[in-house]
Amino acid sequence: GAVVSQHPSRVICKSGTSVKIECRSLDFQATTMFWYRQFPKQSLMLMATSNEGSKATYEQGVEKDKFLINHASLTLSTLTVTSAHPEDSSFYICSARHPTGGTTEAFFGQGTRLTVV
Amino acid sequence: GENVEQHPSTLSVQEGDSAVIKCTYSDSASNYFPWYKQELGKRPQLIIDIRSNVGEKKDQRIAVTLNKTAKHFSLHITETQPEDSAVYFCGTYNQGGKLIFGQGTELSVKP
Repeated sequence: GAVVSQHPSRVICKSGTSVKIECRSLDFQATTMFWYRQFPKQSLMLMATSNEGSKATYEQGVEKDKFLINHASLTLSTLTVTSAHPEDSSFYICSARHPTGGTTEAFFGQGTRLTVV
Repeated sequence: GENVEQHPSTLSVQEGDSAVIKCTYSDSASNYFPWYKQELGKRPQLIIDIRSNVGEKKDQRIAVTLNKTAKHFSLHITETQPEDSAVYFCGTYNQGGKLIFGQGTELSVKP
């Protein structure tokens, strides 16, 4: 199947700093990518939709100035958590959809475990 | 917007027994229903999916059933094994093409 690669897998940062997470589609082009956040023992909550060449769209309650998304190419989307605080500690995971066998399957990156200290 | 309700939140079964997880969706226009398995700290993996033009789909020990009238779909795992232990999520796409997940079910298969 299609491959989505996310980097880094783990990051620890100090409060007030910014962290950038990369999401790449390795063997297909993705004009749209999605960013999710998952707290322990909870579901994956959609944060935003990343659109190549245009602005990202954010879900209700997600601060666009805090979670900056850039989708500069057909294979790369980045999520920057700005001025991170301990409550931003979470598992962040991206996905991209790719046509597979007559349907459009969502493929996920490995996820990034962010810890803000 | 689209809403997906998943039950139960936790499920414990003995090895060899069957496990059933149910989801209900709200948008009658939904036409694709995937199920994902997520192991601790890892990415969700698609295990089976179903389209709205069929009522059931089976892949070895895993099956999914869909009732469009009632707007619910279920995951069935037969002959459960310890390696089936994980969190399972149902999903569906809303009208904006975004994948929305249910709350998740933590399945524990006891040997």
